[in-house]
Amino acid sequence: KAGVTQTPRYLIKTRGQQVTLSCSPISGHRSVSWYQQTPGQGLQFLFEYFSETQRNKGNFPGRFSGRQFSNSRSEMNVSTLELGDSALYLCASSLDYLTGPYGYTFGSGTRLTVV
Amino acid sequence: GNSVTQMEGPVTLSEEAFLTINCTYTATGYPSLFWYVQYPGEGLQLLLKATKADDKGSNKGFEATYRKETTSFHLEKGSVQVSDSAVYFCALSDRRGQNFVFGPGTRLSVLP
Repeated sequence: KAGVTQTPRYLIKTRGQQVTLSCSPISGHRSVSWYQQTPGQGLQFLFEYFSETQRNKGNFPGRFSGRQFSNSRSEMNVSTLELGDSALYLCASSLDYLTGPYGYTFGSGTRLTVV
Repeated sequence: GNSVTQMEGPVTLSEEAFLTINCTYTATGYPSLFWYVQYPGEGLQLLLKATKADDKGSNKGFEATYRKETTSFHLEKGSVQVSDSAVYFCALSDRRGQNFVFGPGTRLSVLP
């Protein structure tokens, strides 16, 4: 079955702009989590959605937001981009928000560069 | 709070060498433990997992044993290949699979 699909793979934006990233989870998976990966900070949790509801949120400013649709696809939005937002944004899906021993299945990520 | 500590990288080995990447954790209760691998330009892939003390996770020649007494989950492989070059992340979650915490990652380079 198809894996986790993230679009676009690469994105270049200018400071002050906004951006929307998309994630389609594995068919049947209802939970989607987002992570930011940078060389300095490693993997940092952004938020998690299940059944169109945000279940958990990391320590990021309000410029970072997300949503989940009824088909479990998720989008995250970053407004007023800053240079420090340049990162690999990873989406991870799981069957349920209680992943149990199964862990996550990650997508290949969206590489965002802010110039 | 929960945390994961990994050995500093990068680790550079010759092909067929023995690999150990150390991972220790701090957690309340009985976490589940994971190793993920990230190949260049890709997302993270689950390599192996263990859910209770003394469990051994294994996959693709890699192994790790859940040691509660030493709060460790060290990754080992008897003979590495060039294709094993990647970044390896140790991670834990609570019993319900919530509150994932990832280590900083260890970059492995295997030379032919």
